[in-house]
Amino acid sequence: DAGITQSPRYKITETGRQVTLMCHQTWSHSYMFWYRQDLGHGLRLIYYSAAADITDKGEVPDGYVVSRSKTENFPLTLESATRSQTSVYFCASSENGERTGELFFGEGSRLTVL
Amino acid sequence: QKEVEQDPGPLSVPEGAIVSLNCTYSNSAFQYFMWYRQYSRKGPELLMYTYSSGNKEDGRFTAQVDKSSKYISLFIRDSQPSDSATYLCAMSRYGNKLVFGAGTILRVKS
Repeated sequence: DAGITQSPRYKITETGRQVTLMCHQTWSHSYMFWYRQDLGHGLRLIYYSAAADITDKGEVPDGYVVSRSKTENFPLTLESATRSQTSVYFCASSENGERTGELFFGEGSRLTVL
Repeated sequence: QKEVEQDPGPLSVPEGAIVSLNCTYSNSAFQYFMWYRQYSRKGPELLMYTYSSGNKEDGRFTAQVDKSSKYISLFIRDSQPSDSATYLCAMSRYGNKLVFGAGTILRVKS
């Protein structure tokens, strides 16, 4: 199916483990984003990418690593997970142009760090 | 202080009521304003998109932007139980690098 998909949808891990959240989009959108959503904070931007091999930090990048070797994939890695990284993570994509604020979100990846 | 402030609610209204949701912001450089709707355990989806000041209407939904007051609103007329969701305001300077409000939980009772 076309769209933006995230995996895994649910993940439980332990402090110190490495975790990778996957994001795949089929629209060939230029921009891709990773947000985390926490109660009281709304959505906060972790990293974004304007194109393959171009990434930049958002508001809360510490503890996260991203890469974008292909336009359609934008994985997010927590190199050494901490409890404060327990959150719901959303991947999004958008096209450049007139309605660049229209982000298309995945269904989210719910991560629990014990 | 957050760049975008939004009352988290929850806001509970009877079916058919007019709903008013609001956000204030501090960055006068914002020029793109959006409202996203998020159902439980789903990703947000764009509901309304406005550039600069003014009003925009789409069916039962009206978005208003007052840049002089740094205040945006979303009105929902004839609210339905299916409107029960979290509503997130979002804004940006350049387009797609958005700053979101915390979201307001809306419950429409039948």
